[in-house]
Amino acid sequence: GAGVSQTPSNKVTEKGKYVELRCDPISGHTALYWYRQSLGQGPEFLIYFQGTGAADDSGLPNDRFFAVRPEGSVSTLKIQRTERGDSAVYLCASSLLPPPREQFFGPGTRLTVL
Amino acid sequence: GESVGLHLPTLSVQEGDNSIINCAYSNSASDYFIWYKQESGKGPQFIIDIRSNMDKRQGQRVTVLLNKTVKHLSLQIAATQPGDSAVYFCAENIGTYKYIFGTGTRLKVLA
Repeated sequence: GAGVSQTPSNKVTEKGKYVELRCDPISGHTALYWYRQSLGQGPEFLIYFQGTGAADDSGLPNDRFFAVRPEGSVSTLKIQRTERGDSAVYLCASSLLPPPREQFFGPGTRLTVL
Repeated sequence: GESVGLHLPTLSVQEGDNSIINCAYSNSASDYFIWYKQESGKGPQFIIDIRSNMDKRQGQRVTVLLNKTVKHLSLQIAATQPGDSAVYFCAENIGTYKYIFGTGTRLKVLA
């Protein structure tokens, strides 16, 4: 079947704007993760969903970041009042339960805040 | 696509030689480990995993070694090929859903 997909692949926005990043996990994967990857670094955990609920959002850097997964499938990462420091690649991954399991990553969304 | 990591440690190997990529993990309670390969502009791709009750696991052309005493993980790639050129990350899991990724190593295969 299809892998994890993310849209858009690239997003350029201006400082202060609102952005939404979308993740379509592999069908049947209950677990969904968002990570942020800066240049030269490994992925950094942001949030974990088990089904519809955010089981752990401790990695979200501040309250400008929010993520939802209303039907337990597609997830949207929302960033308000973007700042230049938000520029990074945002990766989504999904897996079966229970953890720990192999995570399947999407190609990422490269966010650039001007 | 953009380059993943301009300032990563780099390992250069001749095509056909074996590669060894090392990783020091942080948490002695970690019990599951994964090696990922990431090519430029793509997400990390699973290579091989190992649980803490093992010290070695082999896949196709790859072997992962785990030394819990010194919290060290290594990835060995046999007969390295040009397509192996990428950034390699280890990730540790402490028994739940949360993974901690290392900073990565860039592997360059020389023809």
